[in-house]
Amino acid sequence: EPEVTQTPSHQVTQMGQEVILRCVPISNHLYFYWYRQILGQKVEFLVSFYNNEISEKSEIFDDQFSVERPDGSNFTLKIRSTKLEDSAMYFCASMGRLEGEQFFGPGTRLTVL
Amino acid sequence: AQSVTQLGSHVSVSEGALVLLRCNYSSSVPPYLFWYVQYPNQGLQLLLKYTTGATLVKGINGFEAEFKKSETSFHLTKPSAHMSDAAEYFCAVTPSNDYKLSFGAGTTVTVRA
Repeated sequence: EPEVTQTPSHQVTQMGQEVILRCVPISNHLYFYWYRQILGQKVEFLVSFYNNEISEKSEIFDDQFSVERPDGSNFTLKIRSTKLEDSAMYFCASMGRLEGEQFFGPGTRLTVL
Repeated sequence: AQSVTQLGSHVSVSEGALVLLRCNYSSSVPPYLFWYVQYPNQGLQLLLKYTTGATLVKGINGFEAEFKKSETSFHLTKPSAHMSDAAEYFCAVTPSNDYKLSFGAGTTVTVRA
């Protein structure tokens, strides 16, 4: 059964460092998303991506964040200069069509020290 | 804007008993509604969804939910709990004109033998 994969499963970084979180969506999907969940809080929408551009982004998704689909298979989330408050579980999701289902990856736990 | 309220952060049921998880939503446009389940160290898995049509929707693992527009509710039920139902459950809403999911805070279900 096709699934969304994410690497790494856990990333530890120093404050101010850049991190790239990687996702491989389901191969024929067209819509891509990043969400995050700070420990003990709700899952929050970060950004949606379709047709090689951002469809919508939340107020969390500031200039420190960027997304890219560099090679038609990977979907990455970059944080340029991490802050302590970026520590969270980051989930990637993909969807094949409108009114379809968003399939979620297992998440990357980011710890900023 | 849309939001979700899940009543009860923790529900404990006996094996074989009814599982009832409550979800109320607010949405400025007709909503699409979802229930996701998260097992430890795994991603979010879709249990069921309501988009249009029949208001009683059946999902995987014996779960079902009913969309009640007048009550702005989408409660999740299962007639007979199984030990494998122990997990965290998230209700989510998205406007019918985009797919940015807004999640509730989640309800952790424990099942007593």
